Amino acid sequence: NAGVTQTPKFQVLKTGQSMTLQCAQDMNHEYMSWYRQDPGMGLRLIHYSVGAGITDQGEVPNGYNVSRSTTEDFPLRLLSAAPSQTSVYFCASSYGRAAEAFFGQGTRLTVV
Amino acid sequence: GDSVTQMEGPVTLSEEAFLTINCTYTATGYPSLFWYVQYPGEGLQLLLKATKADDKGSNKGFEATYRKETTSFHLEKGSVQVSDSAVYFCALPFYGGSQGNLIFGKGTKLSVKP
Repeated sequence: NAGVTQTPKFQVLKTGQSMTLQCAQDMNHEYMSWYRQDPGMGLRLIHYSVGAGITDQGEVPNGYNVSRSTTEDFPLRLLSAAPSQTSVYFCASSYGRAAEAFFGQGTRLTVV
Repeated sequence: GDSVTQMEGPVTLSEEAFLTINCTYTATGYPSLFWYVQYPGEGLQLLLKATKADDKGSNKGFEATYRKETTSFHLEKGSVQVSDSAVYFCALPFYGGSQGNLIFGKGTKLSVKP
């Protein structure tokens, strides 16, 4: 019973590098989201998707890209990493518009 | 816009003490309300939820009642254990649920001492 799977768990990047955080869910959920968690800030929404082929920006989208080619996968791309993107990233999925979200284990990213 | 405000910690309690973590919200209509828990090094897990006014959500000894008159959803537990040490988040659906994601409070860190 995998649920939401994120890879990698840890990553260190140099400023200016790019990378993709992977997220996959096996629950056939239409809704998927990416959040970042920073101390004292709670979770802030980066991008979200309401179905395959449909994505939109959240509260803090700058410096990130997403795509949703399948229901299962929702990768997050960092285009040119900056130290301000040092954070813990969580992917989540949901089966309904106002339903609870299911979270992955997170990716701890450090940009040096 | 919609928002969630919860008491900021950290909160430190002795084992078997009573716990209250306050959460108030601002929203259009009467959205579902959630409490999530994050144990050290892990992702968020749903702790409990309530889908309409006066509902009481409960799980693992924790309870929260959806009170529309005070727009609150306070988390309570009668006797905490060391294993309850975690960060707790109050949440509600973004824009009435149109986006399928959640607005979170800033989290309250609970430490329980033996």
